[in-house]
Amino acid sequence: GEQVEQRPPHLSVREGDSAIIICTYTDSATAYFSWYKQEAGAGLQLLMSVLSNVDRKEEQGLTVLLNKKDKRLSLNLTAAHPGDSAVYFCAVRASSGSWQLIFGSGTQLTVMP
Amino acid sequence: DPKIIQKPKYLVAVTGSEKILICEQYLGHNAMYWYRQSAKKPLEFMFSYSYQKLMDNQTASSRFQPQSSKKNHLDLQITALKPDDSATYFCASSQQGARNERLFFGHGTKLSVL
Repeated sequence: GEQVEQRPPHLSVREGDSAIIICTYTDSATAYFSWYKQEAGAGLQLLMSVLSNVDRKEEQGLTVLLNKKDKRLSLNLTAAHPGDSAVYFCAVRASSGSWQLIFGSGTQLTVMP
Repeated sequence: DPKIIQKPKYLVAVTGSEKILICEQYLGHNAMYWYRQSAKKPLEFMFSYSYQKLMDNQTASSRFQPQSSKKNHLDLQITALKPDDSATYFCASSQQGARNERLFFGHGTKLSVL
């Protein structure tokens, strides 16, 4: 079955710096890719999602890159600010078979003022 | 104003007991899900329902039983609780249950089994 690896588990950056989180997956049939943010004591909030026919998507200071050849998905937060401090998860889903979203293990991002 | 309501927010149970985790969504969605987040594992998919019918079950234990009394409800009954069941359980929903749909998550029920 699908395996998703996420790194790094912890990331600290200074305010204004960029932060990059990477996920790799194993199933080439993966068709749906997403990033979620979880703030302390809260549920998961969808940040962005892309389908497999998209290589790059930018929205509000976030950039998602999809490299299907390397089976790698990345999230880049440009000019991070303290409010971005949270746990970030990638989540993917195959184009057939189980409906489940497979989540990465999460990255605890801390943005220092 | 949360559109997916999970009750209770915190739950303490003794080993061997039974509990029901409540989930109601007011987004008009037709698909609902349960996920579990424990300290040692990433978020794990448990169940998905669409139009009150089970679509997918990735939970090995029959101690976990979803219950859908209404279209916008998907409760989770857990019997014979074990300490390893301690986790935060998240309910989610989406419009139709299609593969590229956005999932909306509740705030979770944190279950501690003593």
